[in-house]
Amino acid sequence: DQQVKQNSPSLSVQEGRISILNCDYTNSMFDYFLWYKKYPAEGPTFLISISSIKDKNEDGRFTVFLNKSAKHLSLHIVPSQPGDSAVYFCAASEASNYQLIWGAGTKLIIKP
Amino acid sequence: KAGVTQTPRYLIKTRGQQVTLSCSPISGHRSVSWYQQTPGQGLQFLFEYFSETQRNKGNFPGRFSGRQFSNSRSEMNVSTLELGDSALYLCASSFLAGGNNEQFFGPGTRLTVL
Repeated sequence: DQQVKQNSPSLSVQEGRISILNCDYTNSMFDYFLWYKKYPAEGPTFLISISSIKDKNEDGRFTVFLNKSAKHLSLHIVPSQPGDSAVYFCAASEASNYQLIWGAGTKLIIKP
Repeated sequence: KAGVTQTPRYLIKTRGQQVTLSCSPISGHRSVSWYQQTPGQGLQFLFEYFSETQRNKGNFPGRFSGRQFSNSRSEMNVSTLELGDSALYLCASSFLAGGNNEQFFGPGTRLTVL
């Protein structure tokens, strides 16, 4: 039973355009969400997070939106740059159990 | 500040053998978490240690075990290896316990079971 789903295994975006990565979850008890980025042969690195009390969090070119009623979050990257090419994971946790539940990842390819 | 280090980086074992993986967290971090990543799958949580105590455990069989030492270094052991244990094993450290704290990952140990 996948509690966190990233339905797009890959996404290709033109450099300079907006990249939108999506994530759906089923557990209504999740109250904290994180995005990590992973390059080949490296471990994931933290990108941005959002608490369930917010619906938007912004950090430079990266913005995460949370729609609790739809159990959906998305990561927007504007503008997309070649260095953004990586695998992006979304992860979620609930306050009673800090274990992180991860999606399968979306491979983002930025075309020059 | 040195990052999270994992040794070895690559390992090849045969079915039935056992293996021990090592993780050295960032200096000052007391929490170490272990994850398994297989192709097409997200990271699957194995366990988390904080101050030498296992705080949380994922849904893995008892063949997977771990421990943490007083210097926060952690080891993960897998006994009676199966083909399905072939995966990338990632270790992450954080200052505080719990997945909602930013975790810093090592490069992983690629385990191949033949």
